[in-house]
Amino acid sequence: DARVTQTPRHKVTEMGQEVTMRCQPILGHNTVFWYRQTMMQGLELLAYFRNRAPLDDSGMPKDRFSAEMPDATLATLKIQPSEPRDSAVYFCASGLVEGVALNTEAFFGQGTRLTVV
Amino acid sequence: AQTVTQSQPEMSVQEAETVTLSCTYDTSENNYYLFWYKQPPSRQMILVIRQEAYKQQNATENRFSVNFQKAAKSFSLKISDSQLGDTAMYFCAFMFNDMRFGAGTRLTVKP
Repeated sequence: DARVTQTPRHKVTEMGQEVTMRCQPILGHNTVFWYRQTMMQGLELLAYFRNRAPLDDSGMPKDRFSAEMPDATLATLKIQPSEPRDSAVYFCASGLVEGVALNTEAFFGQGTRLTVV
Repeated sequence: AQTVTQSQPEMSVQEAETVTLSCTYDTSENNYYLFWYKQPPSRQMILVIRQEAYKQQNATENRFSVNFQKAAKSFSLKISDSQLGDTAMYFCAFMFNDMRFGAGTRLTVKP
């Protein structure tokens, strides 16, 4: 049963600490999205990768957020230093894109709920 | 960047009735894809239905159907015979290179 795996599911950290969220996309998918969900902002696109190359990270606060894809089985989203306003659910999604659109759908992980105190 | 607008923050419907959720988008592209996702309290994102912009026929999946009006850039979701399990947040999404979502509509199905 192919699925997108995100770790950790929950994270509570103190302000100023580094936070790393991990995502294992579905094998064979060439595109990975990172989203942030808050009550006020809905689902915001933070960054996305195609064939491991970052295509757009304009949605991320550059001074503290970074996203990487060190290999085809792992995508990471890092926040350093974390702030209380970063508290949200962070979703990773993967899909197979041919041309400009998904071949089927974007499959979502279960999200990481981050609380910064 | 493309934008997606869902103008109904909350809606409710009686069980077994029909409800329509609205979505509009802004793009200059001609070929793209549109999606409706459902997010129940478990927060798992579940695909409900998808529509390819080059197809004139509206997509249907069992009780779910869309009204796709390309010229008007409108993509509404109709849920027929609503069930209690349909209670969830519903997100409209637009795909062209990246994938962007609307703010969501919280749907409550009442017994």
